[in-house]
Amino acid sequence: EDQVTQSPEALRLQEGESSSLNCSYTVSGLRGLFWYRQDPGKGPEFLFTLYSAGEEKEKERLKATLTKKESFLHITAPKPEDSATYLCAVRPYGNNRLAFGKGNQVVVIP
Amino acid sequence: NAGVTQTPKFRVLKTGQSMTLLCAQDMNHEYMYWYRQDPGMGLRLIHYSVGEGTTAKGEVPDGYNVSRLKKQNFLLGLESAAPSQTSVYFCASRRDSSNQPQHFGDGTRLSIL
Repeated sequence: EDQVTQSPEALRLQEGESSSLNCSYTVSGLRGLFWYRQDPGKGPEFLFTLYSAGEEKEKERLKATLTKKESFLHITAPKPEDSATYLCAVRPYGNNRLAFGKGNQVVVIP
Repeated sequence: NAGVTQTPKFRVLKTGQSMTLLCAQDMNHEYMYWYRQDPGMGLRLIHYSVGEGTTAKGEVPDGYNVSRLKKQNFLLGLESAAPSQTSVYFCASRRDSSNQPQHFGDGTRLSIL
């Protein structure tokens, strides 16, 4: 069974205090790993897709990396507008569905 | 740019009532999905469709039915609502079988009393 575990569940950061979110996964074969951002009362918004170990993607203060067992979402010098829940999902080979983790809730304090 | 639109945004039902949630996408996407999101549970797939006229069961399909009569619309039905179906329901679409990401609507918040 495909499993996705995200840690920590919740994180409070001071503005400018860099940190990392972890997404550990177990899947028979990884076709893609996806990161989404979700704001309260909204649907998930796509951030990144990672395909193979060693790959990295960046967008503003966010950087996603991938190994064979986990992915990290690094938040560099966060601002209050980076406060959100970050969702990780995996797509196994031969499957049209995503398996989601429970999310990392991030609060950035001014 | 509308993207994925869900109606209604909020609804309160009594146990045993029926209703249909509508998802519409204007991106000509082949694949569409229905999820529910509950506190501490993450997103769980209810049903999905890989094209017009097709449907398939997801992780938690019991108590729900779906239809995809038109490519742009995906309907989720609750025949006899139960309090356990109180949740936030999200619809998503994806262009095709490639690794393009799913695009989500902003959800329907459903309470069953």
